[in-house]
Amino acid sequence: AQKITQTQPGMFVQEKEAVTLDCTYDTSDPSYGLFWYKQPSSGEMIFLIYQGSYDQQNATEGRYSLNFQKARKSANLVISASQLGDSAMYFCAMREGRSEAGNMLTFGGGTRLMVKP
Amino acid sequence: SQTIHQWPATLVQPVGSPLSLECTVEGTSNPNLYWYRQAAGRGLQLLFYSVGIGQISSEVPQNLSASRPQDRQFILSSKKLLLSDSGFYLCAWSVGQVQYFGPGTRLTVL
Repeated sequence: AQKITQTQPGMFVQEKEAVTLDCTYDTSDPSYGLFWYKQPSSGEMIFLIYQGSYDQQNATEGRYSLNFQKARKSANLVISASQLGDSAMYFCAMREGRSEAGNMLTFGGGTRLMVKP
Repeated sequence: SQTIHQWPATLVQPVGSPLSLECTVEGTSNPNLYWYRQAAGRGLQLLFYSVGIGQISSEVPQNLSASRPQDRQFILSSKKLLLSDSGFYLCAWSVGQVQYFGPGTRLTVL
């Protein structure tokens, strides 16, 4: 079974509008972390935001926020006030377990976001 | 601040040739280090990770190998490349929860 599922292969958003990128995950471990990365056409993976499974509040970083719904096992990324430079691939990832040794991430298949002027 | 370097940026190699990709991290000590591969239009697949010098764990059996000769140096190698080894190779480091990635190496095997 897929551990990380991103059901939207591609999305369009109008500049200055908000957009939500979906991510659902599957784990039986009570301790886990969820991450979002941005990959522009240059290829570099840029860390955006992190949510721990025990965090009480949704994570926010500037224009990025994570809509964490633990019971539904979803961790959607919300980008507010989209900019042209937000056009990129976006990947959701999960780390299972407490130990930082290894700290392995499992990635979803990604969503391509295209911002229209 | 921490930085991560990878070289070369791009590489075109014939089938059956050897491979050596290098990754170095600056500005941190005893990081966890990782090698990932990304096929075109796909997500990342973890190949190897290391929690210390000389300690390598493999996630995917294949004709690739990794070594960590120094604390902040991680090398990905192959004795004989296959066509299926083509892809985008990313090195990453972590000290806490977050992994930070290098600029990547685009490998084409012909």
